[in-house]
Amino acid sequence: DAKTTQPPSMDCAEGRAANLPCNHSTISGNEYVYWYRQIHSQGPQYIIHGLKNNETNEMASLIITEDRKSSTLILPHATLRDTAVYYCIAVLTGNQFYFGTGTSLTVIP
Amino acid sequence: DVKVTQSSRYLVKRTGEKVFLECVQDMDHENMFWYRQDPGLGLRLIYFSYDVKMKEKGDIPEGYSVSREKKERFSLILESASTNQTSMYLCASSYGMSNQPQHFGDGTRLSIL
Repeated sequence: DAKTTQPPSMDCAEGRAANLPCNHSTISGNEYVYWYRQIHSQGPQYIIHGLKNNETNEMASLIITEDRKSSTLILPHATLRDTAVYYCIAVLTGNQFYFGTGTSLTVIP
Repeated sequence: DVKVTQSSRYLVKRTGEKVFLECVQDMDHENMFWYRQDPGLGLRLIYFSYDVKMKEKGDIPEGYSVSREKKERFSLILESASTNQTSMYLCASSYGMSNQPQHFGDGTRLSIL
């Protein structure tokens, strides 16, 4: 499974879009990109995943570059409740999920 | 919504005790997983199971065992608890089909004194 690299921390103003980057330059053609978040004292929460195409659901949008070497998770209108650690994971179907240390997002009032 | 329930949020045990952590999911998922989470180390996979009575070692199985007698329940056992097993333990489950996300419980914070 490809290694992912994320910035350790980011800030975002409340109501603005939060754009969280992830680098996965060694990703293979069959590896999916998953995003999770973890709010303090809770288990990781699944957000979204994709392979090649951009994806959107009620929580967020996932933009994957054409070469698939990086992706961006977009929270369109960040709220204080979005303050959490966000994890980007690249995983081959059927393989284990490896969570790194993620990006700590702080939404500022 | 998927519900993964861990039996305790907080647990305190003594060194040498046998400790049972229970996890139940209500979505008929084939796969179940046990992780531990420690500061600076992320989540590390202890054991997982793809079916009833089936188990596979993860990255750090030493000192742990698991049991899956029913599809919805996956138990983690610390045979003889030690202080270095003080940690947050997280259970997850997923469908057996490919490309399915894992869904997590809220974790058990275990302290071994």
